Amino acid sequence: EAGVAQSPRYKIIEKRQSVAFWCNPISGHATLYWYQQILGQGPKLLIQFQNNGVVDDSQLPKDRFSAERLKGVDSTLKIQPAKLEDSAVYLCASSFLLAGDYEQYFGPGTRLTVT
Amino acid sequence: GQNIDQPTEMTATEGAIVQINCTYQTSGFNGLFWYQQHAGEAPTFLSYNVLDGLEEKGRFSSFLSRSKGYSYLLLKELQMKDSASYLCAVLRGYSTLTFGKGTMLLVSP
Repeated sequence: EAGVAQSPRYKIIEKRQSVAFWCNPISGHATLYWYQQILGQGPKLLIQFQNNGVVDDSQLPKDRFSAERLKGVDSTLKIQPAKLEDSAVYLCASSFLLAGDYEQYFGPGTRLTVT
Repeated sequence: GQNIDQPTEMTATEGAIVQINCTYQTSGFNGLFWYQQHAGEAPTFLSYNVLDGLEEKGRFSSFLSRSKGYSYLLLKELQMKDSASYLCAVLRGYSTLTFGKGTMLLVSP
């Protein structure tokens, strides 16, 4: 089975520019997550979707970050404008969440560098 | 709030056994995950414990004590490829995972 796909893998932008990341979850997984992982830290949840609805976005900096999952499948995460502290790896994950299967499957991530 | 603690770094030699501890404080606990993350790669699932006790899977075992808010990951017969970051993550409800900062394990020859 194909895994979680993300693009681009790497992105370098200047501060105040905008950037968008794309994620395609594993087929059939209704739940999709975006995490931010700063170097040397564990992943931090930014937003969680169930189908195309937002379940949790309490840690999403909504003044600059936005995310959507319009058709309940793939998703985009946008940062506008970017700050230096946004430099991190952005991980997308998906899960099935039925019959007690709570495992989250992660994509390869997008490494963002803001200069 | 939530608090998840694990050591920042550990070192061990090839063939040895290492135990990585994780302590947590959280509400709505519904299990604890361990993930492995090699540098520059995505986290990959190692184990999930929801009941007290030890779960063994090949060279890796994971233990949970809910009353103590404590878990450990035990790695036996260490190999060089086990050098990675090991992430402890607490599940709240059905889908909310909160990760610790990770333990960087360095295996030397």
